[in-house]
Amino acid sequence: SQTIHQWPATLVQPVGSPLSLECTVEGTSNPNLYWYRQAAGRGLQLLFYSVGIGQISSEVPQNLSASRPQDRQFILSSKKLLLSDSGFYLCAYRGTNEKLFFGSGTQLSVL
Amino acid sequence: TQLLEQSPQFLSIQEGENLTVYCNSSSVFSSLQWYRQEPGEGPVLLVTVVTGGEVKKLKRLTFQFGDARKDSSLHITAAQPGDTGLYLCGNMEYGNKLVFGAGTILRVKS
Repeated sequence: SQTIHQWPATLVQPVGSPLSLECTVEGTSNPNLYWYRQAAGRGLQLLFYSVGIGQISSEVPQNLSASRPQDRQFILSSKKLLLSDSGFYLCAYRGTNEKLFFGSGTQLSVL
Repeated sequence: TQLLEQSPQFLSIQEGENLTVYCNSSSVFSSLQWYRQEPGEGPVLLVTVVTGGEVKKLKRLTFQFGDARKDSSLHITAAQPGDTGLYLCGNMEYGNKLVFGAGTILRVKS
């Protein structure tokens, strides 16, 4: 069966520090992978998606970047965090019939 | 990017009441997905509607897709506290990216 792992669950970082969030998927090959950000209680903003290794599509110009070094690994990074980077970050993979399956999310607080 | 508008933004009701939430767009949807999200967790898919006029039922939840495929609704009968959460509609664009509306926060009080 397919599973998705995302960590850490909670992260508190100072302004100006770097960020690395990792997402891995098991039980599937060459999945479409996604990073979303969510403000408290609101909809999901698509940040990046990837259809294959090394292929990244950026949806919103911002302080973040994404990489896909391996087929089932998707990494969200920043060199210097801003206060506005705070939020709930969700990784997802695309299953059959265009369904998305989400990880459990990372709550990032930038102070 | 297609704009998905969801209404209402927030809904607070008593257990046992019925409710309807909406998802609208000025453009035609290829298909529409409904998700529910509980606090601190990722969204979970409830249903996908594809055909104009389609109606799907999931226990006490009824999903409708407009004839013109520009709108969809979710009706919950006899709401329970366990229905509390954020309800999101989403549309897969260009076959690769799922774009969401801002969501409806539902609170069902016992």
